[in-house]
Amino acid sequence: GQQLNQSPQSMFIQEGEDVSMNCTSSSIFNTWLWYKQDPGEGPVLLIALYKAGELTSNGRLTAQFGITRKDSFLNISASIPSDVGIYFCAGPLTGAQKLVFGQGTRLTINP
Amino acid sequence: DAGVIQSPRHEVTEMGQEVTLRCKPISGHDYLFWYRQTMMRGLELLIYFNNNVPIDDSGMPEDRFSAKMPNASFSTLKIQPSEPRDSAVYFCASSLFQGMGAFFGQGTRLTVV
Repeated sequence: GQQLNQSPQSMFIQEGEDVSMNCTSSSIFNTWLWYKQDPGEGPVLLIALYKAGELTSNGRLTAQFGITRKDSFLNISASIPSDVGIYFCAGPLTGAQKLVFGQGTRLTINP
Repeated sequence: DAGVIQSPRHEVTEMGQEVTLRCKPISGHDYLFWYRQTMMRGLELLIYFNNNVPIDDSGMPEDRFSAKMPNASFSTLKIQPSEPRDSAVYFCASSLFQGMGAFFGQGTRLTVV
């Protein structure tokens, strides 16, 4: 079935550094979503992208909907300790409401 | 709005017992989803409803799992009988319309011993 592949699986960075992660698929998606999950909590929607080529920001977060519709990128600028968590990309299967999720990128920040 | 509300937050039960997880979606949201999260398999969609009607239950692992949505503000996921491999975090999520990102509850951590 359709799968989303996220990379990297984990990141260890210093506070203040910028972060980049991406998500790719062998299938076309019409919507790309980025979520963050803190320990013991449910995923929280960060950014939603609805148009190929779209670049959207939410504070220090910026996400892009790849022009091929098969990938998306999430960047975090000037990381801070509260950015720690697992970041998931997600998208609805074509013609359906079902969301499929990537495996997640675990972000760890060293103070 | 308080967001998606799930109960209980934690459930420990013995193998063979019935388990019922509960969810209250965000008011006005037409779609409700049940997900399961494990280390091995990540986030998996079990079933989703549109306007209280089950649309796709292909993710439900087996007949031991059932879900209902008797009205727009309440849904249950039941496991009977429960098995240790059912141990996971179960999330309920809701969304306003098709294609919109879903909003998740805090999850129920289920442990079957």
